Amino acid sequence: EVQLVESGGGLVQPGGSLRLSCAASGFSFSTYWMYWVRQAPGKGLVWVSHIGGDGSGANHADSVKGRFTISRDNFKNTLYLQMNSLRAEDTAVYYCVRDLRMGPWGQGTLVTVSS
Amino acid sequence: QSALTQPASVSGSPGQSITISCTGTSSDIGNYNYVSWFQQHPGKAPKLMIYDVSNRPSGVSYRFSGSKSDNTASLTISGLQAEDEADYYCTSYTSSSTWVFGGGTKLTVL
Repeated sequence: EVQLVESGGGLVQPGGSLRLSCAASGFSFSTYWMYWVRQAPGKGLVWVSHIGGDGSGANHADSVKGRFTISRDNFKNTLYLQMNSLRAEDTAVYYCVRDLRMGPWGQGTLVTVSS
Repeated sequence: QSALTQPASVSGSPGQSITISCTGTSSDIGNYNYVSWFQQHPGKAPKLMIYDVSNRPSGVSYRFSGSKSDNTASLTISGLQAEDEADYYCTSYTSSSTWVFGGGTKLTVL
């Protein structure tokens, strides 16, 4: 069974940093593109970033470019999102997704940016 | 990276059919067949309903179907059931090597 389990969310002050992790199991992790998608409270889904199976092809939404960095460790079957210079508008549930065309999605981890 | 355009809400009675539109541009929906539709119930993670415009994954009811014409994709749900009440989102790959979502459509089953 494919499983994606996000962790690392929490409360952080504006300007702070967090690193999200997504532990993957049940499939050949290194052969899939992986994605981060976020959803602010009561709002819609927004693509944040993606990365190829071998770590190439990383791209980020303009709203997070220069502040967030996606990466992966194929030995640990884990996807990461390093988030720096966090802003209030980054407050959201962050979902880890295998292959955005088809999923599945993790259950998400909540990031709250507030003083 | 402008969002795809979806109606904010649609409604229908049990047994009826409804269609949700998702309008983009020639840089996304119009140029790629990488359009997916997701269903999201409150407090839950999104669930894939349609991928690559019109393909239904195993386990998803035949009542769900997808199509595309020019820059607009559509999701049709036939034989509406109470459990279909949820938010629905479309997404498409773009020529900027990014992905864009629609703003979401709230489906109410009357």
